[in-house]
Amino acid sequence: EVQLVESGGGLVQPGRSLRLSCAVSGFTFDRYAMHWVRQAPGKGLEWVSGISYNSATRSYADSVKGRFTISRDNSKNSLSLEMNSLRAEDTALYYCVKDARTIADYFDYWGQGTLVTVSS
Amino acid sequence: DIQMTQSPSSLSASVGDRITITCRASQRIDIYLNWYQHKPGKAPKLLIYAASSLQSGVPSRFSGSASGTDFTLTISSLQAEDFASYYCQQSFNTPLTFGGGTKVEI
Repeated sequence: EVQLVESGGGLVQPGRSLRLSCAVSGFTFDRYAMHWVRQAPGKGLEWVSGISYNSATRSYADSVKGRFTISRDNSKNSLSLEMNSLRAEDTALYYCVKDARTIADYFDYWGQGTLVTVSS
Repeated sequence: DIQMTQSPSSLSASVGDRITITCRASQRIDIYLNWYQHKPGKAPKLLIYAASSLQSGVPSRFSGSASGTDFTLTISSLQAEDFASYYCQQSFNTPLTFGGGTKVEI
């Protein structure tokens, strides 16, 4: 059974940093791209960042480029998102998402999400 | 960036109705268009990939089609469990982008 379990969310002040993690199981992690997708309160889904199966390609939404960094450790079946210079508009539920391909395509499994609240 | 314009933003329907949701891409995306269902408090669920391929385990009342830069999700006979929000997503290039969503209500 595919499982994606996010952690690391919480309340953080504007301008500070936070690191999200995702532990995965139930599939061969190093064969698939992975992503972070978020949903702000009352808003729709927004793709945040993606990383190819071998970390060679990393992509970001314009809204987080230069502030967020995605990484993966294939030896530990884990995905991370380092978030710096956080803003109120980064407040959202962050989902860890498995791609169906080795590079960015469509999302076949999603975690339950971890909530990030940016507020003073 | 590729913009995905989804319509309508919401619709009211009854069990047994046939409904259609449309997504228009701002440029050519071939068939790199996917559809998701999202219920409150749950993880989103993949319904359709590559414009018209049904994800394993998804009921056959869901279908997708494409015509140029216009894409359609159809539910042939709405069931109670289908009341949710639906999103299209393009995977032609990065940044990957979603449509604004369609909330299907009773």
